[in-house]
Amino acid sequence: AAGVIQSPRHLIKEKRETATLKCYPIPRHDTVYWYQQGPGQDPQFLISFYEKMQSDKGSIPDRFSAQQFSDYHSELNMSSLELGDSALYFCASSPRYYNEQFFGPGTRLTVL
Amino acid sequence: AQTVTQSQPEMSVQEAETVTLSCTYDTSESDYYLFWYKQPPSRQMILVIRQEAYKQQNATENRFSVNFQKAAKSFSLKISDSQLGDAAMYFCAYRSEGNDMRFGAGTRLTVKP
Repeated sequence: AAGVIQSPRHLIKEKRETATLKCYPIPRHDTVYWYQQGPGQDPQFLISFYEKMQSDKGSIPDRFSAQQFSDYHSELNMSSLELGDSALYFCASSPRYYNEQFFGPGTRLTVL
Repeated sequence: AQTVTQSQPEMSVQEAETVTLSCTYDTSESDYYLFWYKQPPSRQMILVIRQEAYKQQNATENRFSVNFQKAAKSFSLKISDSQLGDAAMYFCAYRSEGNDMRFGAGTRLTVKP
């Protein structure tokens, strides 16, 4: 069965650089969620989209932005990167109002 | 705001024995969903089991079962016949209708051979 695809799987950036993370949801899933998991921490919700519109917002820094495209894939754009942005970034998808979210393998971002 | 609490940062179990991981949550919602996710060293988030709050029957998936106490807002995970492959970080999670997932801090499970 198709799963959520995230790219890249690993990313290394310098401070103050920008990064773009991509998420391709499971086919026919119209809702995408982004989570950030710092070292030794639980995943924290950043933002979600439904039908290309932002549906909910969590603890996403102003330096980050995201969008969902017409093919339902989503991109998380991160600017002015800081050391504290080093984390595992998960994307999850689901059909709207479905109780389970299906997680991708994550993108490991390292900021040097 | 909904919160999820896992009071056991670490647990250990002997192979083939049973272990129970605790989780409590706080919510004012009546309809919601609860999950246990496993995160092995690969860091992949793997769904172990889920429970709909409107269902009184406890969910079971092979060696994994839950004890869902809605009034007490408790959702514990029991792993029977523990296997070495069960060693991982386990996260309890809560989600209300159409909303994001809220996770507990996690419990690191070690399985001893």
